Amino acid sequence: GEDVEQSLFLSVREGDSSVINCTYTDSSSTYLYWYKQEPGAGLQLLTYIFSNMDMKQDQRLTVLLNKKDKHLSLRIADTQTGDSAIYFCAASEGNTPLVFGKGTRLSVIA
Amino acid sequence: GAGVSQSPSNKVTEKGKDVELRCDPISGHTALYWYRQSLGQGLEFLIYFQGNSAPDKSGLPSDRFSAERTGGSVSTLTIQRTQQEDSAVYLCASSLLGSEQYFGPGTRLTVT
Repeated sequence: GEDVEQSLFLSVREGDSSVINCTYTDSSSTYLYWYKQEPGAGLQLLTYIFSNMDMKQDQRLTVLLNKKDKHLSLRIADTQTGDSAIYFCAASEGNTPLVFGKGTRLSVIA
Repeated sequence: GAGVSQSPSNKVTEKGKDVELRCDPISGHTALYWYRQSLGQGLEFLIYFQGNSAPDKSGLPSDRFSAERTGGSVSTLTIQRTQQEDSAVYLCASSLLGSEQYFGPGTRLTVT
């Protein structure tokens, strides 16, 4: 089955860019997602990309997909303290449950 | 519009008791998913409902866990004879067919 891996921690200074990386194993995953979880809260859908795309930009967020290497990244420009949270990468074939990574804890230093 | 709602937000129960967790999906969403988030296991899929099809129960960890979805809308996850290892946050998500999943705030279950 699918396996999704992420680094566990990332620390950046306020105003810098953050890049969170994710790898997956199943090439049939056609939908790739990024969710944000703040302390004590549920999962907030940030953005997603289809496997037929290489890049998607949405305001401060840029998602890059390298299908050959099965590598997904989320770049947050001008990182703010409010961006501090856990970011989850998830993969799905469409009408299937999500397979999540363990989450990357982003700490933003003022 | 209204998002996915879940109740209760917190539940403390004694070991051996049964619990019911409720999920109200976004109106019109045909797919409904239950996941569990625990410290040791991360986010795990439990069960998936799509329209009138038989649910995908492949993620349920034991036969103490069951779920139903009435009228294609509200869903209830039932855990019988709760154990301490059932302590976790139970998350519900809904989606249109083949589309992105939106999550509720979760129910934090503590088994003492």
